[in-house]
Amino acid sequence: EVQLVQSGAEMKKPGESLKISCKGSGYTFSSHWIGWVRQMPGKGLEWMGIIYPEDSDARYSPSFQGQVTMSVDKSLSTAYLQWSSLRASDTARYYCARYRESHSLYESSGYVSDPFAFWGQGTMVTVSS
Amino acid sequence: IHLTQSPSFLSASVGDRVTITCRASQYITSNLAWYQQKPGKAPQLLIYAASTLQSGVPSRFSGSGSGTEFTLTISSLQPEDLATYYCQQLNTYPNTFGQGTSLEIK
Repeated sequence: EVQLVQSGAEMKKPGESLKISCKGSGYTFSSHWIGWVRQMPGKGLEWMGIIYPEDSDARYSPSFQGQVTMSVDKSLSTAYLQWSSLRASDTARYYCARYRESHSLYESSGYVSDPFAFWGQGTMVTVSS
Repeated sequence: IHLTQSPSFLSASVGDRVTITCRASQYITSNLAWYQQKPGKAPQLLIYAASTLQSGVPSRFSGSGSGTEFTLTISSLQPEDLATYYCQQLNTYPNTFGQGTSLEIK
């Protein structure tokens, strides 16, 4: 069974750093793109970016480029989303999600897209002084 | 690419046929997915490639359209369909979502 299990809720102060995680199981972690989606309180879904675990190729939405960093540790089957300096406006629930299908390294060298068929439970990040 | 869903809010009765529309600001062929997000839960994939039902999704859900206009239809609304529904375009990065349609059961 495919599962994505995310790290627990976080309460942080503005300016602090943070790294949240998403552990995949039940499938070949390295060959499925993983994405991150933000949902601010009471609002809709925002596509932040995707990362390919095999070679850590990361593609960011312009809205999030430079604001967050995506990474993976293949040995732990875990993807990460991190901030170097949080702001109150980063308060949101963050979901990781996996592409429906696997993609080869060759396929992933160009444009690749797929719907998110598997989702983590979300990590609530609250930033407040 | 900007996606506009209509309506933003919808109230319907059990057994009703419900239709939600998603319009894209640019041509996206059939590169569109639909998700359902129940209150307090993560989204779930319903439909991809505009009209292909994801495995395990009830057959009362269907999708249609291509180009710039798409629809999600629930043929006979059930109480458990209370949720917010989102479309997502998969044609170009960033793979944007629509603003959502909140569905209430009367």
